Amino acid sequence: KAGVTQTPRYLIKTRGQQVTLSCSPISGHRSVSWYQQTPGQGLQFLFEYFSETQRNKGNFPGRFSGRQFSNSRSEMNVSTLELGDSALYLCASSLEAARLEQYFGPGTRLTVT
Amino acid sequence: GQNIDQPTEMTATEGAIVQINCTYQTSGFNGLFWYQQHAGEAPTFLSYNVLDGLEEKGRFSSFLSRSKGYSYLLLKELQMKDSASYLCAVREGAGNNRKLIWGLGTSLAVNP
Repeated sequence: KAGVTQTPRYLIKTRGQQVTLSCSPISGHRSVSWYQQTPGQGLQFLFEYFSETQRNKGNFPGRFSGRQFSNSRSEMNVSTLELGDSALYLCASSLEAARLEQYFGPGTRLTVT
Repeated sequence: GQNIDQPTEMTATEGAIVQINCTYQTSGFNGLFWYQQHAGEAPTFLSYNVLDGLEEKGRFSSFLSRSKGYSYLLLKELQMKDSASYLCAVREGAGNNRKLIWGLGTSLAVNP
């Protein structure tokens, strides 16, 4: 069974631009969570989607948004990029809503200059 | 408030045993996870505790005391490949309000 895939793996953007990241969960997994990871803040929860609905949201500004499609693939979008948005963005999928175990993708390394 | 504390760095010797501690203060505790993350890679699931006690899985064991807000991850017979960051995460809340709160991770260096 293929693992969680994320595209692109690396991205360089400039301040003010917007970016869209993509995540394909493990086949059969309907829950997708997004995290931002930085050395100083660790893993910070962004949001979770289940069956195309946002179930939960972390404490990030409205510039961060996401969506999930009927095939469970998910995208997250960051508008008006700031230097502080430079981070590793991780996507994790899990079965149903139990979330006893999350499977992480390799992440997208975003650099904002 | 939400707070998870774990040591920033630890060093151990190949073949030895190391214990990584995690203390937490959360509302609505609903389980604790340990993940391993090698440099440049994604976190991978190690263990899950929701009841007090010890869960053993091969060379790795995880312990939980809910009354003390305390957990530890025990790694036995350390190998060089165990050099990684170990993340403690607490699930809090119920239903649609469940969230995973993550510690900053403990960077473990295993020396020969």
